[in-house]
Amino acid sequence: NAGVTQTPKFQVLKTGQSMTLQCAQDMNHEYMSWYRQDPGMGLRLIHYSVGAGITDQGEVPNGYNVSRSTTEDFPLRLLSAAPSQTSVYFCASSYGGGSYFGYTFGSGTRLTVV
Amino acid sequence: GENVEQHPSTLSVQEGDSAVIKCTYSDSASNYFPWYKQELGKRPQLIIDIRSNVGEKKDQRIAVTLNKTAKHFSLHITETQPEDSAVYFCAAKKNMGSGNTGKLIFGQGTTLQVKP
Repeated sequence: NAGVTQTPKFQVLKTGQSMTLQCAQDMNHEYMSWYRQDPGMGLRLIHYSVGAGITDQGEVPNGYNVSRSTTEDFPLRLLSAAPSQTSVYFCASSYGGGSYFGYTFGSGTRLTVV
Repeated sequence: GENVEQHPSTLSVQEGDSAVIKCTYSDSASNYFPWYKQELGKRPQLIIDIRSNVGEKKDQRIAVTLNKTAKHFSLHITETQPEDSAVYFCAAKKNMGSGNTGKLIFGQGTTLQVKP
């Protein structure tokens, strides 16, 4: 049982490049989400999903796309990377069906856009 | 949408003292309030949570209190130890109905330093 797995752990991109951050969980969690963490700003929600085929925007969705074709996977796509997207990205998942469950986080992806 | 404010941003205490971190939320429909601890370079980990139908919850040296009327909740750590040094985040979430979970919104974080 690996929990929430994120790849890659580190990435450097040039401005304008695109890439996909991968997130997979093996706990059969319905709910998955992506956060970015910047100094002094906490964890800000980018996009979230309450089940396969269902996604919605969070607090800071601009510049990012997501899809949820399976319960296990929730990739985050950067369409045209900008220096403002330099951050640490965390994927998290939890059981659905109610609001009283804790979230399990992946180990994070540190992204630098130059 | 939901907004969560967390104070203080930094907190320094002597080993053995107590530490209190406070959060306020804006959406009165929020009904789940977890707290996370993040050590340097690590992922956030859930340490305690509270539901809106409970006023207080304790787990050994940590406790959380909730005041629904005032829309604020607090984390209390007693007998602090150097290993409690970390960044602590509060969060709030509401059920969106039909059994689906809602968005989990975090506060800005508190860096706790426990001096030996």
